Amino acid sequence: QSVLTQPPSVSGAPGQRVTISCTGSSSNIGASDGPHWYQQLPGTAPKLLISGNSNRPSGVPGRFSGSKSDTSGSLAITGLQAEDEGDYYCLAYDHSLSGWVFGGGTKLTVL
Amino acid sequence: QVDLVQSGAEVKESGSSVRISCKTSGGTFGSHAISWVRQAPGQGLEWVGEILPILDTVKYDQRFQDRVTITADGSTRTAYMELRSLRSKDTAVYYCARVSLGDLSSIYFDYWGQGTPVTVSS
Repeated sequence: QSVLTQPPSVSGAPGQRVTISCTGSSSNIGASDGPHWYQQLPGTAPKLLISGNSNRPSGVPGRFSGSKSDTSGSLAITGLQAEDEGDYYCLAYDHSLSGWVFGGGTKLTVL
Repeated sequence: QVDLVQSGAEVKESGSSVRISCKTSGGTFGSHAISWVRQAPGQGLEWVGEILPILDTVKYDQRFQDRVTITADGSTRTAYMELRSLRSKDTAVYYCARVSLGDLSSIYFDYWGQGTPVTVSS
């Protein structure tokens, strides 16, 4: 059971918009700039997608955006492309646990 | 350009230990914490622990606290993770990740190693 809660799966057709939620608590998302978002394509290491809930590293397309409200965050992907298919994870530092916590991951399927 | 290169795949017997290395290049080693994360087959990401090399301070997830030791060698810019008393449930890909600079409320994992598969056979 993950400390951060994500939906197990989401899907959408090419060109559509999807969102992935990440629900935490006052000791993690509510106490930080997170959640931070990572993309893991099949057979590869996770890659930073969004930091500080809305900042994109260079090279990450503008189709990816993040938002946050109190103890929850969301990742939005617009203009879905086949290459976006993979797993997405949220991450936050938990001050009660004094350590990092992940969401359980969301599998994105492009129909 | 920051790069984290991990040691190769390991096959271990149940009850033994494994030590994985994570050699960094680019950026400033020491002031960035290095975290270790594992991923069992078909499962999600799980934080194991981390080290801040400049202070040699470590934090471990309580699930691994009794079995893991994380160290760092500034002269070679390399972090290590040793996991002892291996069991089949420890079969996973182990990743190292660099933690960005800042206070606890703003930091995140900005670069990742390629992963080291560890297989524990009984």
